Amino acid sequence: EVQLQESGPGLVKPSQSLSLTCSVTGYSITSNYWGWIRKFPGNKMEWMGYISYSGSTSYNPSLKSRISITRDTSKNQFFLQLNSVTTEDTATYYCARGGYGLNWFAYWGQGTLVTVSS
Amino acid sequence: DVVMTQTPVSLSVSLGGQVSISCRSSQSLVHNNGNTYLSWYLQKPGQSPQLLIYKVSNRFSGISDRFSGSGSGTDFTLKISRVEPDDLGVYYCGQGTQYPFTFGSGTKLEIK
Repeated sequence: EVQLQESGPGLVKPSQSLSLTCSVTGYSITSNYWGWIRKFPGNKMEWMGYISYSGSTSYNPSLKSRISITRDTSKNQFFLQLNSVTTEDTATYYCARGGYGLNWFAYWGQGTLVTVSS
Repeated sequence: DVVMTQTPVSLSVSLGGQVSISCRSSQSLVHNNGNTYLSWYLQKPGQSPQLLIYKVSNRFSGISDRFSGSGSGTDFTLKISRVEPDDLGVYYCGQGTQYPFTFGSGTKLEIK
């Protein structure tokens, strides 16, 4: 059974970088698509981007050049880096695996709350 | 971006009852390949979202047939029949047809 687990700091200062790790078990990240989605206080959810089985990436233009998704296939992990964070980046961050492709999210991690505050 | 509009914002239903949640997109969700990438998710209290339905009407593995999805183009519906206590939470629709992928704002289901 595929399982995903997010990890990383729960508190980040404004203007710094947010870095999260998604550790995957039960499925190789060299198959399928792997994404990051965040949920803001309230109910709004935002797709941030994904990394594919081949290592190609796609990002939400709203995040412009602040976002980077990378991976370490030897550890079966993929990573999120979001630069120059502000308080508006405070959210619960989820990693997820695509369904039969990249167009829906079949498996989700439990999520990690990241607060941006000085 | 494709805007996903969900209604109602919240609803309350008696156990055993039936509910419908509407999701409308600002643009057609028919992909160039002919598929319509509209999915439904449920976030139960204290849990991460779980996939219920993909490609409009396909139930994900292990999902009860009490959940059904329908619709086409820009207008979609999730129906839940014989509502059970475990169905409470926030339901989201999401589109994976056009970048960036987007989600509705959620419908909170409460049990009377």
